[in-house]
Amino acid sequence: AQTVTQSQPEMSVQEAETVTLSCTYDTSESDYYLFWYKQPPSRQMILVIRQEAYKQQNATENRFSVNFQKAAKSFSLKISDSQLGDAAMYFCAYRGYSSNTGKLIFGQGTTLQVKP
Amino acid sequence: DVKVTQSSRYLVKRTGEKVFLECVQDMDHENMFWYRQDPGLGLRLIYFSYDVKMKEKGDIPEGYSVSREKKERFSLILESASTNQTSMYLCASMPGGGNQPQHFGDGTRLSIL
Repeated sequence: AQTVTQSQPEMSVQEAETVTLSCTYDTSESDYYLFWYKQPPSRQMILVIRQEAYKQQNATENRFSVNFQKAAKSFSLKISDSQLGDAAMYFCAYRGYSSNTGKLIFGQGTTLQVKP
Repeated sequence: DVKVTQSSRYLVKRTGEKVFLECVQDMDHENMFWYRQDPGLGLRLIYFSYDVKMKEKGDIPEGYSVSREKKERFSLILESASTNQTSMYLCASMPGGGNQPQHFGDGTRLSIL
């Protein structure tokens, strides 16, 4: 069975600096999708960024980028120029390529604090 | 924008009660999901549905059931609520599969006393 592990329960970063959140996963599949979701204190979970495993290029969305290392089964999230609004819980998630029902497997989450 | 609406933000019920959590989405999505979120455990899938009247068990279905009579509505039912079901419950929906993201509701904080 696939698993997703986020080993950092809490992280903090100074406003305007860069922070990296870690995520590792275990799977025997060769094709899959990876996601980072953000859950602000208001609680609605929103998509931050996604990566297809067959793409070698790392995904980027404005200040958010990933470091996808397929061989190491690692999928870290880098937040550049951190802002107060980035404070949230961040979840890493995995979906198998063959999953036509969209089922996701989530990590435990990392709470990010942004200090002014 | 996709809107996923959960009927209650906060809910307090008694042990042994039958509890209904409702979720409605407005984008004609085939797939709908119910998760519970607990500190240190992330989100765990309770049940999901890929079509009207179709459902599949997730990772922690014990003590729960679901109903999907209409495409836009997915209900989670706690047959006989117990204190260990106190948690945050999140509903999500998505079209098809692939790299499509799931869209989440605001969550229901359920307390069983």
